[in-house]
Amino acid sequence: AQSVAQPEDQVNVAEGNPLTVKCTYSVSGNPYLFWYVQYPNRGLQFLLKYITGDNLVKGSYGFEAEFNKSQTSFHLKKPSALVSDSALYFCAVRGEYKGYGNKLVFGAGTILRVKS
Amino acid sequence: SQTIHQWPATLVQPVGSPLSLECTVEGTSNPNLYWYRQAAGRGLQLLFYSVGIGQISSEVPQNLSASRPQDRQFILSSKKLLLSDSGFYLCAWSRDTQYFGPGTRLLVL
Repeated sequence: AQSVAQPEDQVNVAEGNPLTVKCTYSVSGNPYLFWYVQYPNRGLQFLLKYITGDNLVKGSYGFEAEFNKSQTSFHLKKPSALVSDSALYFCAVRGEYKGYGNKLVFGAGTILRVKS
Repeated sequence: SQTIHQWPATLVQPVGSPLSLECTVEGTSNPNLYWYRQAAGRGLQLLFYSVGIGQISSEVPQNLSASRPQDRQFILSSKKLLLSDSGFYLCAWSRDTQYFGPGTRLLVL
């Protein structure tokens, strides 16, 4: 069975400092991994994905994520946090075999708070 | 480019009333379509998905139903709303990556 864990309910960071939002996964076969961001009362916005290739994936708004197969992790990172990065972040996974419907499994979400 | 629309944006309905939420996608054909519910501003629950017109798969037994009358239209319905149906409803489409609509806030009183 596929699963995603986001071990931190909330991450607090000062503006200008680097940030990391953690994600670990379990899936059969090679994983397809995704990060989304959600602002209050809005839909989820796609940030980045890992399918294959370079383990460091760059995405929107200066975010990047590092795929680590041995640790089954896909942590989201940004070198310098902005107050406007404060939001709810979701990690999601599916296996390489799409299956019927190409469904994703989402983590519970991590609230990121960036303080000025 | 592709866009996804949901309406209404917000809805307040009495218990026992019917429901119809609509989702439409532009700029693509034969997408996979999904309905999610988000309660208490956190976790996402997949309710229904569809891989084609008239093809609906339900993920959880509940008071809701879904239909796909056209390729790029996905409708979420209920005959009688319950208090527990309150939440934030999100529609998404995909070919490989899922893209989400703006959501509908439903409050059942």
